[in-house]
Order: sequence, then C-alpha cells, then structure tokens
Amino acid sequence: QQQVKQSPQSLIVQKGGISIINCAYENTAFDYFPWYQQFPGKGPALLIAIRPDVSEKKEGRFTISFNKSAKQFSLHIMDSQPGDSATYFCAATRGANNFNKFYFGSGTKLNVKP
Amino acid sequence: NAGVTQTPKFRVLKTGQSMTLLCAQDMNHEYMYWYRQDPGMGLRLIHYSVGEGTTAKGEVPDGYNVSRLKKQNFLLGLESAAPSQTSVYFCASSRQGRVSYEQYFGPGTRLTVT
Repeated sequence: QQQVKQSPQSLIVQKGGISIINCAYENTAFDYFPWYQQFPGKGPALLIAIRPDVSEKKEGRFTISFNKSAKQFSLHIMDSQPGDSATYFCAATRGANNFNKFYFGSGTKLNVKP
Repeated sequence: NAGVTQTPKFRVLKTGQSMTLLCAQDMNHEYMYWYRQDPGMGLRLIHYSVGEGTTAKGEVPDGYNVSRLKKQNFLLGLESAAPSQTSVYFCASSRQGRVSYEQYFGPGTRLTVT
C-alpha cells in the first residue's frame, strides 16, 4: 500500500505561471512533510518542508500548503521559471520515532516552457 | 565537505554477477539509507542503518544485502544480479534527533543488468 500518493505524474507550465503538485497521505502519525527537487542525473535535494502544526510555509517562490483534516499537502511554485524544470517528490515521515524513514510519492516531472 | 558520495557512478552487469555499491558520508550522521528509483515509482527504501554495525530491511530488501562496518560507510551488495535490479540507486544519510529529519542524498549509481 502506497503511503503517500502524488499527482500529477507530469506537468507543463508556461514561464511565469503557477505550478501546483498535490500529495495525500493516510498515516496520521506522520509529523514531517518534505518536498525534494531532483535535476536529471543528480540526487534529490531538500527544497522545503513543513510540520503539521502550521498550515502554510513559504520560502521565496515555493510554498507548501498543508491541510491536516484532509491529510493532504501541496507544493505551489509561483512565477515558474525554466530553471525549475525538474522532478519533484513529496515525502512523509514519523521522524525520530521511526529513524527518519521517508515514504516518497511517485514523483512529478515539471517542464516550464519559456 | 563532500557530503554523500557514491561509487561507482555507472555499472553494467550480466545476470548472475555480483557487485557492491559504496556510499560514504562525511557529516557524522547516524542514519544511512539505500533507495532504488524506478520510473513512476518514486524512491523505495531497500535497507537502512541506524548506527555502526546495525542494519534493517526497508520496503524492497529482497536480492540485496548491506553492511555498515564503519559509521561513515554503508555498502549495498547484489549477490546474484537480475534484470529486475536495473535501476538508479541512491544513498542518503540523516542525523539522529528531532532537530532536523532532512535526508542528504548522494549523486546516484545507474546500474544495468543484462
């Protein structure tokens, strides 16, 4: 059973547009929800993360929206740029209670067209 | 400070051959992980280690073995490679404790089994 479900599988956005990627989870014990960004041929790198005690976290053009009651969280990329073209993974973990083991979504390949 | 490094970067094996992938981290992290990444399936945890001399199974451990003889190194072994093990393998590390659950990833090893 997939612990974290991610959609869409791929996304095409025009430069300057808003990119939105959604994730849903089942386990209410999860207490840390990161988003990772991966460029071709590279390893994933942490982009932004949120804990369930807040509903939104913003870092520059990247925002996580978190809905605890719906067990959903999403990544919004404002003013999307061609340099944002990458694969994005959401994840969830029970953190220190489970040795920081992550459950990853299946990934979203974002293509920002100039 | 190199972070997480992996060797080799690429490898082609014939069915039935064996090999070892090496992961090294210089951040003094307690936790280390091995993932495989396949198209449309995200990152799946193979094995992990919570300290020197300890290892545990993840989601997809069959066909793999691991060892952590030194804190900074985590080895992934394939005793008898199969075409189904064709994948990109990533190593990651994480510090113990509740301050940060971030996992730091290596650049990956692309393995093809023919």
